[in-house]
Amino acid sequence: DTGVSQDPRHKITKRGQNVTFRCDPISEHNRLYWYRQTLGQGPEFLTYFQNEAQLEKSRLLSDRFSAERPKGSFSTLEIQRTEQGDSAMYLCASSSAGLSNTEAFFGQGTRLTVV
Amino acid sequence: QKEVEQNSGPLSVPEGAIASLNCTYSDRGSQSFFWYRQYSGKSPELIMFIYSNGDKEDGRFTAQLNKASQYVSLLIRDSQPSDSATYLCAVNMEGFKTIFGAGTRLFVKA
Repeated sequence: DTGVSQDPRHKITKRGQNVTFRCDPISEHNRLYWYRQTLGQGPEFLTYFQNEAQLEKSRLLSDRFSAERPKGSFSTLEIQRTEQGDSAMYLCASSSAGLSNTEAFFGQGTRLTVV
Repeated sequence: QKEVEQNSGPLSVPEGAIASLNCTYSDRGSQSFFWYRQYSGKSPELIMFIYSNGDKEDGRFTAQLNKASQYVSLLIRDSQPSDSATYLCAVNMEGFKTIFGAGTRLFVKA
């Protein structure tokens, strides 16, 4: 499978616990995006990387959220001290870094439920 | 003003009709524009992209871009019940950050 892969697909956690999600992008893609999506809304931008560099992080993103892409390949998104409002689908997407061919392809997402 | 705006719908069309979905964006420097289809409980699936002013056709889908008006649209010809989904407009802002609209729900009635 050469698409974007996310793990786990589902996560149920208790409020206050930390969770970490992983994303493996399409191998030749050097841009990687994280989004959060709640019911009835479009994907909300969280952060993105070009290779290992984190180029932008949403101003709306709490300090409890952190993302890394240490070797420019896979990425992790960590949420510390989870809150019920963090319950959402977390989507990862990747794209190439040219001036064209910048179409982003999504993984299947990680659905987080905070109880 | 939101960065990418779409009418949330729902848009309801009969089978075989043309469905027209619209999107406006705020960043005049945007260069790349995308349409995604999302079925309930699934992740977004890319169906069209357009970089230049004008029309781009792919099968039953036509994307239209007007940069002067900061307007993107998607036409679906011969709509089928299987086209019923949420359609997301996405725009690459300056710096290649891709921002999504809230989506338009489309229902195609058999």
